[in-house]
Amino acid sequence: AQSVTQLGSHVSVSEGALVLLRCNYSSSVPPYLFWYVQYPNQGLQLLLKYTSAATLVKGINGFEAEFKKSETSFHLTKPSAHMSDAAEYFCAVGNGNEKLTFGTGTRLTIIP
Amino acid sequence: GAVVSQHPSRVICKSGTSVKIECRSLDFQATTMFWYRQFPKQSLMLMATSNEGSKATYEQGVEKDKFLINHASLTLSTLTVTSAHPEDSSFYICSARYYGSGTDTQYFGPGTRLTVL
Repeated sequence: AQSVTQLGSHVSVSEGALVLLRCNYSSSVPPYLFWYVQYPNQGLQLLLKYTSAATLVKGINGFEAEFKKSETSFHLTKPSAHMSDAAEYFCAVGNGNEKLTFGTGTRLTIIP
Repeated sequence: GAVVSQHPSRVICKSGTSVKIECRSLDFQATTMFWYRQFPKQSLMLMATSNEGSKATYEQGVEKDKFLINHASLTLSTLTVTSAHPEDSSFYICSARYYGSGTDTQYFGPGTRLTVL
């Protein structure tokens, strides 16, 4: 079985500040890990994914995430927040790219 | 990039009626599509996996007779909510699995908001 825990349902950061969204996973097999972003009333857009290659994964819009097996974590970061980053972010774990299990999401608010 | 569309984007129907939602991969062929359901302020829950030319695989607790899935072509999967009731009101999102250019990724549609009165 696989599961994902996202710590913090709401995160607020000031424009220009570091963004850190936390994700911990549980998986009985080597996991595929994903971060998706969802804007209001829209579907999900893939930010980045980890598929057992480099542990530091760079994605779109300046986001990156680091896979840490010892901590079972896959936290999402961005050095400098922009107003357009305000959205809901979902971490997901999959066995390959088949069935994905999503976390409960983190709503990111950017303070001007 | 790979694009997935859904139609309609919003639908309001009366209790007891059936509603069909379409999911299309616009610029790639998808042998596998997925249907998710998202309640307000909650995460996505996988409902079923739709495979072209075969029966869908439903997740535990999802009624296959209520949520009919048809994947008749490599670019189209449909979800029909039969005899809809207010508790079926939700945001339904599909995704299509894309293989190509050394990648294997799910691309998501924009979602369909169903409101059952």
